[in-house]
Order: sequence, then C-alpha cells, then structure tokens
Amino acid sequence: GDSVTQMEGPVTLSEEAFLTINCTYTATGYPSLFWYVQYPGEGLQLLLKATKADDKGSNKGFEATYRKETTSFHLEKGSVQVSDSAVYFCALSGRGYSTLTFGKGTMLLVSP
Amino acid sequence: NAGVTQTPKFQVLKTGQSMTLQCAQDMNHEYMSWYRQDPGMGLRLIHYSVGAGITDQGEVPNGYNVSRSTTEDFPLRLLSAAPSQTSVYFCASSYSTAGANSYEQYFGPGTRLTVT
Repeated sequence: GDSVTQMEGPVTLSEEAFLTINCTYTATGYPSLFWYVQYPGEGLQLLLKATKADDKGSNKGFEATYRKETTSFHLEKGSVQVSDSAVYFCALSGRGYSTLTFGKGTMLLVSP
Repeated sequence: NAGVTQTPKFQVLKTGQSMTLQCAQDMNHEYMSWYRQDPGMGLRLIHYSVGAGITDQGEVPNGYNVSRSTTEDFPLRLLSAAPSQTSVYFCASSYSTAGANSYEQYFGPGTRLTVT
C-alpha cells in the first residue's frame, strides 16, 4: 500500500537558518503530494501541494518539488522564523482517492 | 463559512462508555474523513465517506462506527471506549481538483479524547 516516510525530529534551528525536511513516498501510479502544518493546539492546515511530476508547490516562503525519479517531496525554506515552529506532515493522495496517507510528522523548533 | 467544525473539543470517558464525536462542514464538500493522531504515528485514517449514504473503512476502523445521512454531517461513534482510543481525532472534508487527481483536505480543530 501507499506509505510516506519523513525525517524524524525535532529539527532545531536558529532564526534565518535554511530548512530542509525530507519526505519520500511509496505509491502506485501518480499520487498528489502535500505538506500540511500543525501549529500547537491547532488542526492541520494545507501548506503546499503538487499534483504531477516536476511540479513545485510554494507558499509562505516554503517550497517543495515533486520528484518522481527519486519519489521525494522535500520541504525547504531559505530563512526560517520563530513563527514557523510547528509540526510538518508530508502526505499523499493516490489517484482517485479522497483520503490522505500521512508521514509521522516532523517537529520544527526555531529559536531567536 | 465556518469550514469544518468539531464538537466537543475535549472529552474524558470511562472504559466501556460510548459517545459520538460530531463533525460538520458547510462547504458542500462531497468527501469526509476521520483520522486519529497519536504521538509518533502521524495521522491514521479511521473511516471515510465519498457521499451521503456511502462510507468505508480506513486503516484503523475497529471500535468505531460512522454514518453519513447528509452531506454536511459525519459523526464518529465510539461503541465501547477503551484506553487505546485515547487520541486526538480530526475530521476533514475535501473536494476534487485537477480532475480526480488531487483532493485538498480541510481539517477541523480536533477533539482530544481521554479514556480512563
């Protein structure tokens, strides 16, 4: 079945550092890929998405590129802020499926 | 639009008790799902629905029941609560974009359930 593997956290960075959170997936066909963010005590919000190979999703300075050849969708941000501290989830939806398969989440902690 | 709403926000149950977690959405989304979030496990799919009157099991359905009599509502019933069901429960609704290849999910704020 489908699965998502993302790097374990927590990832601890200083403000303005470069962020990478790795995500790889296993799926049949051509899934859509997502990054969701969960701030403390809140639900999940869609951060960005990509629906086909080589698509780049971007939002709020974050970006991720759908790499079919490496089955990856790594999340990057050039300069993190304290307000980016949250848990980040990589997820996929298989073609024609209305549900998501999630990775285990990566906690990001940014200090001033 | 209120989006996806869930009630209650917090609940404590004793082992063996039953209860219903409520979920409603006002976006006229066809698809709705229930997930549970446990530390170190990410979110796992419990049940989902592709339209009123149609439900199916997800990855971890045991001990839970759902029904979908209207587009708006998708309640989750715990039949006989067990400590293993202590978790945070999220309801989500979605619609299809880019043909049938992408389903953007909108999540509710969650219900934190403790079973003692």
